[in-house]
Amino acid sequence: AQKVTQAQTEISVVEKEDVTLDCVYETRDTTYYLFWYKQPPSGELVFLIRRNSFDEQNEISGRYSWNFQKSTSSFNFTITASQVVDSAVYFCALVPSGANSKLTFGKGITLSVRP
Amino acid sequence: EAGVAQSPRYKIIEKRQSVAFWCNPISGHATLYWYQQILGQGPKLLIQFQNNGVVDDSQLPKDRFSAERLKGVDSTLKIQPAKLEDSAVYLCASSPVVYKSYEQYFGPGTRLTVT
Repeated sequence: AQKVTQAQTEISVVEKEDVTLDCVYETRDTTYYLFWYKQPPSGELVFLIRRNSFDEQNEISGRYSWNFQKSTSSFNFTITASQVVDSAVYFCALVPSGANSKLTFGKGITLSVRP
Repeated sequence: EAGVAQSPRYKIIEKRQSVAFWCNPISGHATLYWYQQILGQGPKLLIQFQNNGVVDDSQLPKDRFSAERLKGVDSTLKIQPAKLEDSAVYLCASSPVVYKSYEQYFGPGTRLTVT
């Protein structure tokens, strides 16, 4: 069975600050995928990124960047120069590759960005 | 391409009443998932269908929850009778094929409040 831990529950920052959301995972599978989702107050899950366990390259997309470190089983997410529209709940998730694998989510981090 | 559709978006019922949610997956997607997301937690898989067959319903409270996917397309999730602890967002997701659990597309969700 796999587990995703998001130790931070709530983070509050002032606009333009950088913020890092932590994610630590556990799995016995050698091949798996990691995800980050954003859930704004409207409730839908917005897909942000998917990462294959074989690809440890960090990724940057605009103000968003992700740091995947297999050695520490972490997949952290950084928002640079945060904006009020970044306020949401952010989920980290993991699914092993293969048929019928379950997508396991962390408990989420509530990010509040104040103007 | 249309996304995953769900209805209703919001529902308020009293405990012991019955309720049903509907999901229409992306056209051609063979796999359909129902998740329950209780406030302050990540989504939890309730049931997974492959076409019109159940793949995994190990976390579905079968004494009160039921789900079906007639003809392998639309799906309905029912709760009867509802309890206060069933208040949650119910998310439907679909995937092109069963071995692509890493490629799930989520609908907007149905927010259920049980009073």
